[in-house]
Amino acid sequence: GQQLNQSPQSMFIQEGEDVSMNCTSSSIFNTWLWYKQDPGEGPVLLIALYKAGELTSNGRLTAQFGITRKDSFLNISASIPSDVGIYFCAGQLSGGGADGLTFGKGTHLIIQP
Amino acid sequence: DAGVIQSPRHEVTEMGQEVTLRCKPISGHDYLFWYRQTMMRGLELLIYFNNNVPIDDSGMPEDRFSAKMPNASFSTLKIQPSEPRDSAVYFCASTSDNRGTYEQYFGPGTRLTVT
Repeated sequence: GQQLNQSPQSMFIQEGEDVSMNCTSSSIFNTWLWYKQDPGEGPVLLIALYKAGELTSNGRLTAQFGITRKDSFLNISASIPSDVGIYFCAGQLSGGGADGLTFGKGTHLIIQP
Repeated sequence: DAGVIQSPRHEVTEMGQEVTLRCKPISGHDYLFWYRQTMMRGLELLIYFNNNVPIDDSGMPEDRFSAKMPNASFSTLKIQPSEPRDSAVYFCASTSDNRGTYEQYFGPGTRLTVT
């Protein structure tokens, strides 16, 4: 089955720093999504990408859908304490209708005081 | 608007017992997904429904797992008999067509512990 390689596994940063994480796949996806999960909660959708090359922002978050449709990155600018959590990339194959998501293993973001 | 609702939030049971997890999707959504999250395997799709019909159950681990969607506002995931390796967090998600896109929204999950 498809696999998503997400990196880095964890990041230890200072408040105010910018963050960058990415996902790569051996398969083409038609949709890339980025989720954030807090302890004891379900994943919350941050950004959805639908076109190759698309660059989308949501506040301090920016994500891009790679031209090859096999990768995506997420940037967080000027990190704040509430950014702490686990970030997941997810890919969807189907170009028409919904399909199950394939998830990366997550990036743990930790902000050091 | 109410999001995806799951119950119970926590379930502790003994090996061999039957477990039933419940999900209410977002009103108007016609797709419903069940995922499982473990430390070892991360988030994995188990099964999904479209208009109450199971479309892909290839992720269901084995015959001990079954899922139903008797109507558009309710789905169950049943494990019978349960085993310790079934311990995980089970998520339900739903979506519908939004101008050709299908963004999945997750519930808070059910944390299952099988002793």
